[in-house]
Amino acid sequence: QQQVKQSPQSLIVQKGGISIINCAYENTAFDYFPWYQQFPGKGPALLIAIRPDVSEKKEGRFTISFNKSAKQFSLHIMDSQPGDSATYFCAASYGAGTYKYIFGTGTRLKVLA
Amino acid sequence: KAGVTQTPRYLIKTRGQQVTLSCSPISGHRSVSWYQQTPGQGLQFLFEYFSETQRNKGNFPGRFSGRQFSNSRSEMNVSTLELGDSALYLCASSSGQGAKETQYFGPGTRLLVL
Repeated sequence: QQQVKQSPQSLIVQKGGISIINCAYENTAFDYFPWYQQFPGKGPALLIAIRPDVSEKKEGRFTISFNKSAKQFSLHIMDSQPGDSATYFCAASYGAGTYKYIFGTGTRLKVLA
Repeated sequence: KAGVTQTPRYLIKTRGQQVTLSCSPISGHRSVSWYQQTPGQGLQFLFEYFSETQRNKGNFPGRFSGRQFSNSRSEMNVSTLELGDSALYLCASSSGQGAKETQYFGPGTRLLVL
């Protein structure tokens, strides 16, 4: 119940295309779902996050879609750029005052110029 | 503000040795979390410290331990190293005051166990 399943493991997208990464969870107690972006040699950096009381959150080219009934959430990167090439992690956490995040296994995105 | 810093950045040890990793959080942050990142397992939560107390703990053996000092700096220790401990160890800091604030990650310490 503590797992967050992420797919695909890797993704190749043409410049200008849409990148879609999916995550699924089992534990309905999760109440915070952040996405992190990690470049080689760097630590993960928060990209965008959502709570289960909304179905969609958009920040620039990045959108999180959240389906509470299906226990799934996804990251959409519109107009993907070569600079977006990185590894993306979804995560989930629950409970006040806790920073115990459960991370997905990551998606390596490559955007072709 | 300076970001989260971790030292050393790279480390090579042999099986059976022990290692201590250090993390300096962003100034003013009181919560420090540690994660192990491996290609097969992704990021796995080790533990979180807040005001010198371990507040949360992941599912790692007792060989993995940590502590936090009064200035919020944190150290992580791994004793009796095993080959499988080779990984990128990341720490993340936050103010620790709210439930869902952003965690800021450091660049990590890459540990290789031979």
